[in-house]
Amino acid sequence: RKEVEQDPGPFNVPEGATVAFNCTYSNSASQSFFWYRQDCRKEPKLLMSVYSSGNEDGRFTAQLNRASQYISLLIRDSKLSDSATYLCVVIGQGGSEKLVFGKGTKLTVNP
Amino acid sequence: SAVISQKPSRDICQRGTSLTIQCQVDSQVTMMFWYRQQPGQSLTLIATANQGSEATYESGFVIDKFPISRPNLTFSTLTVSNMSPEDSSIYLCSGGENEQFFGPGTRLTVL
Repeated sequence: RKEVEQDPGPFNVPEGATVAFNCTYSNSASQSFFWYRQDCRKEPKLLMSVYSSGNEDGRFTAQLNRASQYISLLIRDSKLSDSATYLCVVIGQGGSEKLVFGKGTKLTVNP
Repeated sequence: SAVISQKPSRDICQRGTSLTIQCQVDSQVTMMFWYRQQPGQSLTLIATANQGSEATYESGFVIDKFPISRPNLTFSTLTVSNMSPEDSSIYLCSGGENEQFFGPGTRLTVL
């Protein structure tokens, strides 16, 4: 089983749609969880951290289920500018502080 | 958050030469990492840059090929040695505490 697995995508949705991405991680000892977005030919940018209680930032909601080792990202009212690759990232696999990246899910929001 | 700069932003190099990439953080950070990203792929961790000691390399990466320096808490360098066309890639550094922030990347082409 891969350390961090994501929906392969790609997702093509119309403007205004709600879209959800899922991610699972293999190591139950993992400590911290993040979603990054990466635009074409750009570096990854931190979108949001994922807390056990779940967290919301405007149109974006992230949730963590430690029992199922599952992380999700929900985007409501999609905008054209949301088109990007979304990377699920986990820290703390095996006690390490290094980030482990999923392969990413590509989202295209269409007019 | 931390602001990360990298230089050079891109370079075209001849086979057998070496290139040193610099990474500067605008504040002191505990953790710094170096990654490689091939087009259309996710990030692959090369090594953790440790301040005051040797870098910790991931499987498949060795110090002779990718020597790393970390003289202080705001700066690191990665050298790609004895380059071949297979080393053509985007090289990214990150820095931060729990949350990691990325530099804009160095696009390397080896002829």
